[in-house]
Amino acid sequence: AQTVTQSQPEMSVQEAETVTLSCTYDTSESDYYLFWYKQPPSRQMILVIRQEAYKQQNATENRFSVNFQKAAKSFSLKISDSQLGDAAMYFCAYRDGGSQGNLIFGKGTKLSVKP
Amino acid sequence: DTGVSQNPRHKITKRGQNVTFRCDPISEHNRLYWYRQTLGQGPEFLTYFQNEAQLEKSRLLSDRFSAERPKGSFSTLEIQRTEQGDSAMYLCASSQTLGQRNTIYFGEGSWLTVV
Repeated sequence: AQTVTQSQPEMSVQEAETVTLSCTYDTSESDYYLFWYKQPPSRQMILVIRQEAYKQQNATENRFSVNFQKAAKSFSLKISDSQLGDAAMYFCAYRDGGSQGNLIFGKGTKLSVKP
Repeated sequence: DTGVSQNPRHKITKRGQNVTFRCDPISEHNRLYWYRQTLGQGPEFLTYFQNEAQLEKSRLLSDRFSAERPKGSFSTLEIQRTEQGDSAMYLCASSQTLGQRNTIYFGEGSWLTVV
């Protein structure tokens, strides 16, 4: 069975600095997707970034980028120029390429941003 | 695009009572998912529909849980004879199946407290 592990329950970053959140996963599939979702307090979960396993190029969305290491089964999220609004729970998630939709989530990392 | 809508947002019920949550997905999304999230954990998959067909159910979905999507639009999740362990946030999500733009979008969740 596929698993997702986030080893950092909490992280803290100074405003305008860069922070990296870690995620590892385990799968025997070759076709899959990886995601980072952000969940602010009492607000809905929103997609931050996604990565298709067949793509070698790391995904980038504005200040958010990933370091996808397929062989190591690692998928870290880098947030550059951190802003106060980045404070939230961040969840790493996995989905089989052939799956009908079941996302498997890690336990999350709580990110605090210090002014 | 009004997003995924869930109601009620909060529900407090006595143990043994039945509760029902409703989810309205993003229009034109043919897939609809239910997840459960407890404090300090990532969301856990419960079930999903493609149109009106319920295609997958997690082992977490005990006999007391039933989900429906009668016309392939909104969905309901009913919990019968609630137990304190059912206290959680119930998340609904939806997606399309077309191409690679099958990102799953989440609603704000329905909080259930069983007392």
